[in-house]
Amino acid sequence: QSVLTQPPSASGTPGQRVTISCSGSTPNIGRNSVSWFHQLPGTAPKLLIYRNNQRPAGVPDRFSGSKSGTSASLAISGLQSEDESDYYCATWDGSLNVVVFGGGTKLTVL
Amino acid sequence: EVQLVESGGDLVQPGGSLRLSCAASGYTFSTYWMDWVRQAPGKGLEWVANIKEDGSEKNYVDSVKGRFTISRDNAKKSLYLQMNDLRAEDTAVYFCARDLMGASCHWGQGILVTVSS
Repeated sequence: QSVLTQPPSASGTPGQRVTISCSGSTPNIGRNSVSWFHQLPGTAPKLLIYRNNQRPAGVPDRFSGSKSGTSASLAISGLQSEDESDYYCATWDGSLNVVVFGGGTKLTVL
Repeated sequence: EVQLVESGGDLVQPGGSLRLSCAASGYTFSTYWMDWVRQAPGKGLEWVANIKEDGSEKNYVDSVKGRFTISRDNAKKSLYLQMNDLRAEDTAVYFCARDLMGASCHWGQGILVTVSS
């Protein structure tokens, strides 16, 4: 069972806006920045969002992150078929002194 | 171009040992924290360990404490994970990553470790 809770699945149709939640607690999300990664099957994860809402170079502005209290969210607007992937949130947990990941959310574009 | 290339993965018996390496290129290796993250077959990502730029600070997930040791050689631009007393539940693809929680995050392609008799 993951320290960070994500829905196991999410779906949307092309053009829609989808959000993926990541719920934690004070020692992790409550006190530290959240990163989001996406991963296609058989490939390495890639950074999508860092420091809660910052996009690295090359990530489209369709992807946005936010954080409030002990929860974070990833929003994908203008959904495209190539967005079909697994998405993970992660942050540092100052109580456990480890990086914690969410269990992952499989996004399906219908 | 930043590159992280893992090596050393293999099939090993329970109780055995293995040393993973991660060769870095395309950037100044000594200026970033480095992490190991693993992914069991069909499962999610699990953080394993990280090490500070100069090797002076290391952190581990509880399940590997006392069995795994993370280290680095900045002169050789390499990160290592010494894995002892391997268990079936250590079977996974192991990724090395630079600046895992930062803007310069970059992952290697991963290497498979299988623990089985």
